[in-house]
Amino acid sequence: NAGVTQTPKFQVLKTGQSMTLQCAQDMNHNSMYWYRQDPGMGLRLIYYSASEGTTDKGEVPNGYNVSRLNKREFSLRLESAAPSQTSVYFCASRPYRDSRYEQYFGPGTRLTVT
Amino acid sequence: GESVGLHLPTLSVQEGDNSIINCAYSNSASDYFIWYKQESGKGPQFIIDIRSNMDKRQGQRVTVLLNKTVKHLSLQIAATQPGDSAVYFCAEISGGSNYKLTFGKGTLLTVNP
Repeated sequence: NAGVTQTPKFQVLKTGQSMTLQCAQDMNHNSMYWYRQDPGMGLRLIYYSASEGTTDKGEVPNGYNVSRLNKREFSLRLESAAPSQTSVYFCASRPYRDSRYEQYFGPGTRLTVT
Repeated sequence: GESVGLHLPTLSVQEGDNSIINCAYSNSASDYFIWYKQESGKGPQFIIDIRSNMDKRQGQRVTVLLNKTVKHLSLQIAATQPGDSAVYFCAEISGGSNYKLTFGKGTLLTVNP
């Protein structure tokens, strides 16, 4: 099992450019999540997908869109990147399991917007 | 809104000592908590969880204590090793949703040899 994988690992964008961050999990998990992590701060939820076919906004969704392509894949798109979106982005997944809510994280994508 | 917070941003200990990392939460409706470890350049890694109907839960070298009266959570690491150096986050289920975790800002644990 590769777990949760993310591509790319690093990316530099100019203001106004667009890009899609890819995430895939091979654990047959139902729920998937996108977070951003800024220096000195905890993880903030951008969007999540409780199950295949559904997506919902999290705490900081502005400037982002997501697609739950299938059960395995959940992508995050920046349509017009801004310097404020410079961050480390983490994808996570969670199995459907009663009474357990832990999420499993990917290695992250480090994005710089100049 | 309510959020999870941490008492200490940094903690430095000697190898072999026990470490205690604290977390305060303000949402009295939270019923599930998780501790994560994040090493430099990596994603958070699940350590241990606890439900609100428990006071204590033990894992391998780690113990989580929950005090609902004062809304306080702690992670104890026994015989701390250099490999334990990382940022530790507590997280809670937020807003009545079973799908979303709210994370604290983290505590940096440094283990000195």
